[in-house]
Amino acid sequence: LAKTTQPISMDSYEGQEVNITCSHNNIATNDYITWYQQFPSQGPRFIIQGYKTKVTNEVASLFIPADRKSSTLSLPRVSLSDTAVYYCLVAPRSGSARQLTFGSGTQLTVLP
Amino acid sequence: NAGVTQTPKFQVLKTGQSMTLQCAQDMNHNSMYWYRQDPGMGLRLIYYSASEGTTDKGEVPNGYNVSRLNKREFSLRLESAAPSQTSVYFCASSADSDYNSPLHFGNGTRLTVT
Repeated sequence: LAKTTQPISMDSYEGQEVNITCSHNNIATNDYITWYQQFPSQGPRFIIQGYKTKVTNEVASLFIPADRKSSTLSLPRVSLSDTAVYYCLVAPRSGSARQLTFGSGTQLTVLP
Repeated sequence: NAGVTQTPKFQVLKTGQSMTLQCAQDMNHNSMYWYRQDPGMGLRLIYYSASEGTTDKGEVPNGYNVSRLNKREFSLRLESAAPSQTSVYFCASSADSDYNSPLHFGNGTRLTVT
């Protein structure tokens, strides 16, 4: 299993770029990296997924170095509404879904 | 398009009582999952169903049973509730058994066992 490690919490100010890094030293060849966002009293919501290099969508970018032992979620110009818990999930393309376990996540607080 | 719907939203049980948490998805997804989330912790997988007619244990299955009633519905049953099962329960679905398919979550059932 590719165990993930993230900072417990981060603070930022509105309008800044926020980078949240996840370590996954034991990532396997077929594992993908997925990030989720969770607001209070809601289920997690998919943000972005990648395998290597860089992936960008309308809300975030995901940077994955060549060794794939870490990944960085980048949120451009955050607003107060981006305050949430962010989870990094490393999942294999095939195998047991028992490996779909989330870590404790990173609580991002955006300040005015 | 409702996505993943969970009922009830809140429930209080006494120790030893039983109940069934209901989950339905309208995205024609093949795979469905039950997670629990305790305060300050991540989500732990209880059971999952890779496809209609199959179920498998996750990380924390003890004290729970599941039924994949059809492609849309996946229920979680507590036969004899215990205070340690006080938690928020999330149901999720994904398009197929390729576990890289993004998970789509419901908004949870908040269960308190006294």
